[in-house]
Amino acid sequence: AQTVTQSQPEMSVQEAETVTLSCTYDTSENNYYLFWYKQPPSRQMILVIRQEAYKQQNATENRFSVNFQKAAKSFSLKISDSQLGDTAMYFCAFMNPSGNTPLVFGKGTRLSVIA
Amino acid sequence: DSGVTQTPKHLITATGQRVTLRCSPRSGDLSVYWYQQSLDQGLQFLIQYYNGEERAKGNILERFSAQQFPDLHSELNLSSLELGDSALYFCASSVDRGRGYGYTFGSGTRLTVV
Repeated sequence: AQTVTQSQPEMSVQEAETVTLSCTYDTSENNYYLFWYKQPPSRQMILVIRQEAYKQQNATENRFSVNFQKAAKSFSLKISDSQLGDTAMYFCAFMNPSGNTPLVFGKGTRLSVIA
Repeated sequence: DSGVTQTPKHLITATGQRVTLRCSPRSGDLSVYWYQQSLDQGLQFLIQYYNGEERAKGNILERFSAQQFPDLHSELNLSSLELGDSALYFCASSVDRGRGYGYTFGSGTRLTVV
């Protein structure tokens, strides 16, 4: 079974600075999808960014970008110009290509942005 | 508003009781997923339905059951409740079994068992 590991339970960053959240996963699949979800204090789960494993180009969404290292099975999230509204739990998630098995989540990283 | 509607938002009940959580997926989505999030924990997958049929099952307790109705809304039934069942229960939906596009989540139901 696939597993997702987030080794940083908590992190903090100064406003306007850059922070990187780590995620590693374990799979024997060659093609799959990876996601980062954000859960602010409102508890809503919000999709931040997605990556298709067969695409070598790292995904980018405004201030959010990923560093996808397929051989190392690593999928880190970089947040640039951090804002107070980025304060949230961040979950890394894995999906196999068939869609018949659900999203598998890591335990999350609690990010605090400090003014 | 994500388009996925969960009711109720909060529920407080006593041990031994039974509750039903309801989810209406985003318009056009055929798949519904249920997840449990205990305090300071990640999301644990419970069960998946696709167009009315059960597709995948996670570590769902025998005291828990779910179904998806012809109008695609889903209900999660939790019975003989224990204190440890207190958690945030999320419903999510996707259009194509989630292949590549991720899920859209509802805002969750906060269940407190006292």
